[in-house]
Amino acid sequence: EVQLVESGGVVVQPGGSLRLSCAASGFTFDDYSMHWVRQAPGKGLEWVSLINWDGDNTYYADSVKGRFTISRDNSKNSLYLQMNSLRAEDTALYYCAKGIAAATLFPFDYWGQGTLVTVSS
Amino acid sequence: QTVVTQEPSFSVSPGGTVTLTCGLSSGSVSTGHYPSWYQQTPGQAPRTLIYNINTRFSGVPDRFSGSILGNKAALTITGAQADDDSDYYCVLYMSGGSWVFGGGTKLTVL
Repeated sequence: EVQLVESGGVVVQPGGSLRLSCAASGFTFDDYSMHWVRQAPGKGLEWVSLINWDGDNTYYADSVKGRFTISRDNSKNSLYLQMNSLRAEDTALYYCAKGIAAATLFPFDYWGQGTLVTVSS
Repeated sequence: QTVVTQEPSFSVSPGGTVTLTCGLSSGSVSTGHYPSWYQQTPGQAPRTLIYNINTRFSGVPDRFSGSILGNKAALTITGAQADDDSDYYCVLYMSGGSWVFGGGTKLTVL
């Protein structure tokens, strides 16, 4: 059974930094691309970032480009999102999502339950 | 910046058929956008329904189907049931490796 468990969400001040983690199990982690998707309270889904199977290719939404960094450790079956220069508008539930394939042309299929990031002073 | 458009809300009677659409503020949705659809109920993580236009995800009932209709991607629910009352999101692949969600459609079954 595919499982994705996010962690690391906390309350952080504007301008601060945070690192989210996603522990994956139930599938061969390095066979798939991985995504981060977020959802602000009461709002719709927003795609955040994508990393291909080996970490060589990464992509970001314009809203986070230059501030967030996606990475993965295939030896630990883990996905990460380093978030810097956080803003109030980054407040959201952050979901880790498994890509349907190794290539980045495919979207996501399995989702975690999310970890909540609140940016507030 | 291209915006992905969806109907904000839609209603359907139990047993009825409804088609939700996913378009672009500029241009047409094509196979190269690999449209996919997700269902979300309040307090739950999204659930994958359809990917790459019309491939139904594992365990998804065949009353859900995807297509491209004219210049938009479409999700059709045939024989709507009460538990289809949810938010539905489409996502499109954009050049440069990014994905963009639509604003979502709130479907009411009544």
